[in-house]
Amino acid sequence: DADVTQTPRNRITKTGKRIMLECSQTKGHDRMYWYRQDPGLGLRLIYYSFDVKDINKGEISDGYSVSRQAQAKFSLSLESAIPNQTALYFCATSDNKDRGRETQYFGPGTRLLVL
Amino acid sequence: SQKIEQNSEALNIQEGKTATLTCNYTNYSPAYLQWYRQDPGRGPVFLLLIRENEKEKRKERLKVTFDTTLKQSLFHITASQPADSATYLCALEPHDYKLSFGAGTTVTVRA
Repeated sequence: DADVTQTPRNRITKTGKRIMLECSQTKGHDRMYWYRQDPGLGLRLIYYSFDVKDINKGEISDGYSVSRQAQAKFSLSLESAIPNQTALYFCATSDNKDRGRETQYFGPGTRLLVL
Repeated sequence: SQKIEQNSEALNIQEGKTATLTCNYTNYSPAYLQWYRQDPGRGPVFLLLIRENEKEKRKERLKVTFDTTLKQSLFHITASQPADSATYLCALEPHDYKLSFGAGTTVTVRA
């Protein structure tokens, strides 16, 4: 089984709807991240969490919120989806005790289309 | 403003040749630089990490250099194979435990 899983893998929604993307990991890592990927722009950090009680905004957090329900679970919510939130979303984990620093392990991604 | 730039053009090379990818950055002082591979429809996968005090790192057919004076990293795939076809991302880690990614360079290796 995959170490980092994301659900759903694909989602189509309408403008104004609230949706939640979920991420689970079995790696036992404390740190979890949400990114979005757009063509030509690379991965951009939305939110990150260094442990269950720690939540931090990334560079593009407007319009998003997160919840760290447990060490293994980190959810991303779009409170009121808009078309420019159409993107590929990735969850990642890391453990800074692994290989020196901040090697990240990514989930398979969620492809979101907002109509 | 901070910027990470990778080869803007896709790279098409013949099997057996060496692919060289470039990652340039401005207004960063990274402690570490990493390279990831991403296949279509998949998440990025870690390949190599190089520290600011290291000049070169190798792993099998991969070689990474890191020049903090030029603010540049080069990523080489030697004896390339069609299975090396993918998008390669560079990522910088300053001293704050977060990664900043470049947009990636797509490599296609022709048999």
